[in-house]
Amino acid sequence: KAGVTQTPRYLIKTRGQQVTLSCSPISGHRSVSWYQQTPGQGLQFLFEYFSETQRNKGNFPGRFSGRQFSNSRSEMNVSTLELGDSALYLCASSLRANFYEQYFGPGTRLTVT
Amino acid sequence: KNEVEQSPQNLTAQEGEFITINCSYSVGISALHWLQQHPGGGIVSLFMLSSGKKKHGRLIATINIQEKHSSLHITASHPRDSAVYICAVYEGNKLVFGAGTILRVKS
Repeated sequence: KAGVTQTPRYLIKTRGQQVTLSCSPISGHRSVSWYQQTPGQGLQFLFEYFSETQRNKGNFPGRFSGRQFSNSRSEMNVSTLELGDSALYLCASSLRANFYEQYFGPGTRLTVT
Repeated sequence: KNEVEQSPQNLTAQEGEFITINCSYSVGISALHWLQQHPGGGIVSLFMLSSGKKKHGRLIATINIQEKHSSLHITASHPRDSAVYICAVYEGNKLVFGAGTILRVKS
């Protein structure tokens, strides 16, 4: 069974731009969660989608948004990028909602200049 | 005060030693997770538990709900166990992470 895939793996953007990251879950998994990891703040939870509905949400500004499609693939969008948005963005998929037995993708490394 | 506190922050052990990593939290939770992150960045979910104890190979995780405390034990440690171990709690509608414990096992 293929694992969780994330595209792109690396991305460089300029302040003020927007970016869209993609996550394809393991086949059959209906939950996708997104996380941000930085050296200063560590891992932080962004949001969780299950069957196209946002189930859980972390404490991030509205510039961070996401969605999930009917095939369970998920996208995360960050608008008006700031330098502090430079981070590793990880997604994880699961059969069930609420962080049940998650499988993590390799992450997308975003650098904002 | 952080909602999730891990100790120690750094740990160096000799191969074969018994290792304990601790996690304390300050809020009511639905479940607690232990994750492992290797230097390349990949994260593996080790355990999800809401009570008692779970074991997988040389890894054992325990949780005491009343004391708001969990421990991750590694028996017969090996250099391949070198990684960052992260505790996370499912509280309310979000997952809150500890800062992680950097473990190095020397041969």
